[in-house]
Amino acid sequence: AQTVTQSQPEMSVQEAETVTLSCTYDTSENNYYLFWYKQPPSRQMILVIRQEAYKQQNATENRFSVNFQKAAKSFSLKISDSQLGDTAMYFCAFMRVTGNQFYFGTGTSLTVIP
Amino acid sequence: DARVTQTPRHKVTEMGQEVTMRCQPILGHNTVFWYRQTMMQGLELLAYFRNRAPLDDSGMPKDRFSAEMPDATLATLKIQPSEPRDSAVYFCASAQAGVYEQYFGPGTRLTVT
Repeated sequence: AQTVTQSQPEMSVQEAETVTLSCTYDTSENNYYLFWYKQPPSRQMILVIRQEAYKQQNATENRFSVNFQKAAKSFSLKISDSQLGDTAMYFCAFMRVTGNQFYFGTGTSLTVIP
Repeated sequence: DARVTQTPRHKVTEMGQEVTMRCQPILGHNTVFWYRQTMMQGLELLAYFRNRAPLDDSGMPKDRFSAEMPDATLATLKIQPSEPRDSAVYFCASAQAGVYEQYFGPGTRLTVT
């Protein structure tokens, strides 16, 4: 079975600063995908970034980047130049290539402080 | 701007009543997922369909929950009879064949009293 662990239930960061959210996962699969989703107070789940396990290069989307350490089974999200609109719950998710099923972590509540 | 739609957005009902939630996936997406989100359990996968066929519903309480896809543009999740412990936000998500991101609807907040 796949498990996803987010060990930081809550975090805060000053506006314009950088913050890193951690995620670890456990799997025996070699080929899989990892995702970060954002859930603002509106409850809408929004895809932030994805990483293919076969790619060594870390994914980047504007102010969002990941640090993917396959051997350590670690997938952290770095948010640079934090903005008030980044305040949300952030969920890490794992997906096997065969199956489409997502396994979600318990989430990290991020507050950006003005 | 293609998006997943869900109705109703909010539902309050009494214990024992039937509840039906509907989802319209993004046009062209062939995989549809139903999730439940609670504070205690987080996000749980209830069931998912590919090309309208159920692939996995092991996360769903079979005695009261049922999920169907009558056609490619509509997925339904039904609870009969509803219980207070079913109170949660129910999300539908869809994905395109060969593409792994799931796109979520806005959710249905269900309250069973």
